[in-house]
Amino acid sequence: EAGVAQSPRYKIIEKRQSVAFWCNPISGHATLYWYQQILGQGPKLLIQFQNNGVVDDSQLPKDRFSAERLKGVDSTLKIQPAKLEDSAVYLCASTLGGGDYGYTFGSGTRLTVV
Amino acid sequence: GNSVTQMEGPVTLSEEAFLTINCTYTATGYPSLFWYVQYPGEGLQLLLKATKADDKGSNKGFEATYRKETTSFHLEKGSVQVSDSAVYFCALTLSNSGYALNFGKGTSLLVTP
Repeated sequence: EAGVAQSPRYKIIEKRQSVAFWCNPISGHATLYWYQQILGQGPKLLIQFQNNGVVDDSQLPKDRFSAERLKGVDSTLKIQPAKLEDSAVYLCASTLGGGDYGYTFGSGTRLTVV
Repeated sequence: GNSVTQMEGPVTLSEEAFLTINCTYTATGYPSLFWYVQYPGEGLQLLLKATKADDKGSNKGFEATYRKETTSFHLEKGSVQVSDSAVYFCALTLSNSGYALNFGKGTSLLVTP
């Protein structure tokens, strides 16, 4: 089966610019997660969707980050304006949901803010 | 809150040495526990998991046992190979947090010939 697709693979932007990341989960996976992985650290959950509804966005910096999952399939994560500390790998993962442990991670988008 | 604590790295071992990477957790409720591996330049991959106390997860020669009494899930391998060089992440999920994975900081392993 196809994996979780993410794009772009790499992105370099200047601080205060905006950027958007795209994720296409595995077909049929109801639950979608966005994680931020700063170099040398473990992934940190930013937001979780169940179909097109938000389950948990408590760790999303809402003053600059936003995410949506229209039609319960693809998702986009946006940062506006970016800060230097946003440099990280942004990972998307999906699962069937409801306690299914078949999490599948995408390859991630590596963001560098200069 | 719920959290995972892993031993600090990097861990450097010679080929065929015994590996232990310690992982302890704090959780409200009964978590499921996981080990993920990230090879250089690659994405996160599930290595093994255990969903209840005393379960043992195993894969590719790696093992970990869910110890409720010590809130631990230590990763072990009897004889490491150079190809095991990677970053290893311990993680937990709970139903009351939407089953989102909560990761530790990761432990880097370097195996030398």
